[in-house]
Amino acid sequence: AQRVTQPEKLLSVFKGAPVELKCNYSYSGSPELFWYVQYSRQRLQLLLRHISRESIKGFTADLNKGETSFHLKKPFAQEEDSAMYYCALRSTDKLIFGTGTRLQVFP
Amino acid sequence: DVKVTQSSRYLVKRTGEKVFLECVQDMDHENMFWYRQDPGLGLRLIYFSYDVKMKEKGDIPEGYSVSREKKERFSLILESASTNQTSMYLCASSRSPGQGANLFFGSGTQLSVL
Repeated sequence: AQRVTQPEKLLSVFKGAPVELKCNYSYSGSPELFWYVQYSRQRLQLLLRHISRESIKGFTADLNKGETSFHLKKPFAQEEDSAMYYCALRSTDKLIFGTGTRLQVFP
Repeated sequence: DVKVTQSSRYLVKRTGEKVFLECVQDMDHENMFWYRQDPGLGLRLIYFSYDVKMKEKGDIPEGYSVSREKKERFSLILESASTNQTSMYLCASSRSPGQGANLFFGSGTQLSVL
């Protein structure tokens, strides 16, 4: 079955600390993975996708097919990173989302 | 800049009412989607559509139907609203997969069924 698992509902860190939001997936085939973010009172938006291999707002994510993971990382968290983060897996034309992780960054 | 507009930000309805949630996108996207967003459950796909007059069931279609008479508009219908349909409803659109599967989301409609 195709599935996305985000094991942490809440992740709290202090400003300047490293952040890693975990995402594991189950998919038979070549996966295409995304991270979406929802800031307070804003719409859900794309943060990054693995095929672009880009860094957005200091965040990176590497696809690890051996561990079926796509963890989101940032070396130094900022207060403005506080948001809800969703990992998503493409299945034909649609996206399958995980349950989300709320990141809280304290000053 | 893609814009996906949901007609209502907040709706309060009574059990048994027929409810229409409207969504319009202005970027000529082929694909449109309805998700519901619940704390601890993430986003779950209700229905989606690849083209006008086409619809596909998602993971939780029970109690819902959809209509896509025009390319830019995708409506979600709750035939007889129930309290367990109280949720945040998100509409999204995207181009066909050959051009990338990035979803653009609306602001959401918070529906309360009393």
